[in-house]
Amino acid sequence: DVKVTQSSRYLVKRTGEKVFLECVQDMDHENMFWYRQDPGLGLRLIYFSYDVKMKEKGDIPEGYSVSREKKERFSLILESASTNQTSMYLCASSPTSQETQYFGPGTRLLVL
Amino acid sequence: GENVEQHPSTLSVQEGDSAVIKCTYSDSASNYFPWYKQELGKGPQLIIDIRSNVGEKKDQRIAVTLNKTAKHFSLHITETQPEDSAVYFCAEERGSTLGRLYFGRGTQLTVWP
Repeated sequence: DVKVTQSSRYLVKRTGEKVFLECVQDMDHENMFWYRQDPGLGLRLIYFSYDVKMKEKGDIPEGYSVSREKKERFSLILESASTNQTSMYLCASSPTSQETQYFGPGTRLLVL
Repeated sequence: GENVEQHPSTLSVQEGDSAVIKCTYSDSASNYFPWYKQELGKGPQLIIDIRSNVGEKKDQRIAVTLNKTAKHFSLHITETQPEDSAVYFCAEERGSTLGRLYFGRGTQLTVWP
């Protein structure tokens, strides 16, 4: 079974802190994705990556950056956390196009 | 990018009844349409998918139909059970952005015993 793990299930941070969310997949997938999920808004894509050291902006990249130094690991960085970044963050991976994305369990981030 | 339109946003059915969720897309080059189920406290999980060269696909109590002319696809769940209660998301992969999925806003399905 494909496994996508996220470093934390719950995280509480203060405004202005730098926040790192880590995601690891164990199936040698090419593609990795970061979404945020808010009530009534569904899943919104923040950033994605088709290969190591490659990244593409999604629909809501402002306030976020990403890093993919190794194929299995995709990190989401909040340079200076703000209260409007309080959300559920989901990581996903997929082998290629026209294939499903496999999701991690999510990290619920609260920024105070 | 514009998201897929998904309706209804909430759906309540009696156990044993059928449930239908419909999604509409706009890109005629879209080629892959997965459906995800998200249970409370978990990430979304694929339940069924369909590709643009197929009109219908079935897996036990779950089926998906695709109408490329009208640009819509639907999830059908028959003989619903309380454990089907969850949020369901449709998604499309567009021809111009291979590998990336565009999601609907989700449908909260509640199955009453």
